[in-house]
Amino acid sequence: EIVLTQSPGTLSLSLGERATLSCRASQSVSSNYLAWYQQKPGQAPRLLIYIASSRATGIPDRFSGSGSGTDFTLTISRLEPEDFAVYFCQQYGSSPLTFGGGTKVEIK
Amino acid sequence: QVQLQESGPGLVKPSGTLSLTCAVSGGSISTTNWWSWVRQAPGKGLEWIGNIYHSGTTNYNPSLKSRVTLSVEKSKNQFSLKLSSVTAADTAVYYCARIVPEISFDSWGQGSLVTVSS
Repeated sequence: EIVLTQSPGTLSLSLGERATLSCRASQSVSSNYLAWYQQKPGQAPRLLIYIASSRATGIPDRFSGSGSGTDFTLTISRLEPEDFAVYFCQQYGSSPLTFGGGTKVEIK
Repeated sequence: QVQLQESGPGLVKPSGTLSLTCAVSGGSISTTNWWSWVRQAPGKGLEWIGNIYHSGTTNYNPSLKSRVTLSVEKSKNQFSLKLSSVTAADTAVYYCARIVPEISFDSWGQGSLVTVSS
């Protein structure tokens, strides 16, 4: 089973700042099948990024994903009010599918 | 735009069986996509339970495999989850979701809170 470790656990930033979230895998993620999701309280997760760097339909271009192998990053270039949420990474290159523990982006 | 909606009892007794159904609308369940269940315990992260294809082929999380059964009803355009021998540790919001090959979970239901308690 691939274990995904996200850091930091909480990121306190101001509007307009850049957010950099990390996701590290315990072994290489096959085909870079790594996705990122945003989740707000009381809501289902929303897909942001797939195959490490491809934006999902309707996702603003301030969200970008990068990385390969075992190290992946989600970057939000300029935080908007609606971006304060919890972000999860998830690998789907091998079974069982696994999620990271999440990074909470909160308003400073 | 496909939509998914979970339904089922919100309260299950310990040692009982949790049963949920996910109705798919806006598209056929008989496509190249897989259909999945994911759960989230209160205040916790996400845990994949398993996937099912419209043919009935399944993949389960080994941590739950002995207690999980997924099934699909093509005529009703829905799929279902059964989780047996539940305990308080199974209390969670249960989401159904669509898995698109190479893209992963692109559509989710709103979630259904299931509490295990006597």
